Amino acid sequence: DTGVSQNPRHKITKRGQNVTFRCDPISEHNRLYWYRQTLGQGPEFLTYFQNEAQLEKSRLLSDRFSAERPKGSFSTLEIQRTEQGDSAMYLCASSLWGEQPQHFGDGTRLSIL
Amino acid sequence: DAKTTQPPSMDCAEGRAANLPCNHSTISGNEYVYWYRQIHSQGPQYIIHGLKNNETNEMASLIITEDRKSSTLILPHATLRDTAVYYCIVRVRRNQGGKLIFGQGTELSVKP
Repeated sequence: DTGVSQNPRHKITKRGQNVTFRCDPISEHNRLYWYRQTLGQGPEFLTYFQNEAQLEKSRLLSDRFSAERPKGSFSTLEIQRTEQGDSAMYLCASSLWGEQPQHFGDGTRLSIL
Repeated sequence: DAKTTQPPSMDCAEGRAANLPCNHSTISGNEYVYWYRQIHSQGPQYIIHGLKNNETNEMASLIITEDRKSSTLILPHATLRDTAVYYCIVRVRRNQGGKLIFGQGTELSVKP
């Protein structure tokens, strides 16, 4: 499978815990994006990387959120001190540069108890 | 960022063409129109994109009006598996990172 891979697919945790998600993009895609999607809404942009550089962050990305792409390949998204409002689907996408389309993974669904 | 307007829902009979409209009257000259769809519990799936000319691939056709203020996605022979939410997106220009700004989309129901 050469698509975007996200792990885990589901994560259930208690409020206040830290969680980390991983995204493996399509090989050789130098752009990587994180989005968040709540029930009944379209995905919302969180942040994106070009290679290992994080070039843009949405104001939705509070101080509790941090994303990395250490070697310009896979990426991680960490949420510290989770809150009820963090319950959502977290989607990762990757693309080549320019106008090439983004290809999405199937997301990590986070549920906060 | 150019906004898009889509009907919230549409029905289509199986085997017939599904025509999904989108208005993007504030689109800029070098902004592309992208279409994605999302089937329940899956990530969005890229369908097609275009700038000025009509485009066709194995999944769909994209018709863009001459003034570029609207477009139509055509699924020529809809099947039950085409039931999904379809998003029309105007993509932010290249030097702004190309993030996608999703609206509410059109929920297409293909019925037998």
